[in-house]
Amino acid sequence: DAGVIQSPRHEVTEMGQEVTLRCKPISGHDYLFWYRQTMMRGLELLIYFNNNVPIDDSGMPEDRFSAKMPNASFSTLKIQPSEPRDSAVYFCASRSDRLSSGNTIYFGEGSWLTVV
Amino acid sequence: AQKVTQAQTEISVVEKEDVTLDCVYETRDTTYYLFWYKQPPSGELVFLIRRNSFDEQNEISGRYSWNFQKSTSSFNFTITASQVVDSAVYFCALSDNTDKLIFGTGTRLQVFP
Repeated sequence: DAGVIQSPRHEVTEMGQEVTLRCKPISGHDYLFWYRQTMMRGLELLIYFNNNVPIDDSGMPEDRFSAKMPNASFSTLKIQPSEPRDSAVYFCASRSDRLSSGNTIYFGEGSWLTVV
Repeated sequence: AQKVTQAQTEISVVEKEDVTLDCVYETRDTTYYLFWYKQPPSGELVFLIRRNSFDEQNEISGRYSWNFQKSTSSFNFTITASQVVDSAVYFCALSDNTDKLIFGTGTRLQVFP
């Protein structure tokens, strides 16, 4: 089975530009998570969805960040405008309903973002 | 509130040594799950193990073993006869009734030949 698929794997952009990160969760998974990893803050949960509905976006750093999940097989994380401090690895992850998965989350390979 | 503490920032060992990575957690829930993930130099996050709060049995998988003790709120990970390929950052994580997975700060393990 295909795992969580993220694109792009690497992106270098200039400050002020819009960045869109994409994610395809594992088929059949009901939950989708966006995490950010930096040296200073480690792995932070930004937002998560259940059945395409955003449940908790308290980790989204500011209004420049937005996330959508228009259907069960696709999600985007958008940064507009981007700033150098947004440079990080952004992970998408998914899992199935808790009873069968025990909350086990499976991660994509990450999108490495550099804002210059 | 949930919290996961990995006090060891970095550990260095020589190949074939045994090494234990410590993890201490905090939660108010009686039902929760504990995890270990591995992040090799290539950057991906690889799921290693899940334990639920009702199962305190230790688990062994090849050279890997896990010791879950509710009395001390710990979920430690031991690698026996370490190998260079074990070099990675290892994260302990906790998930309770909030659906969130909260990570510790990670322990970087370097295994030298």
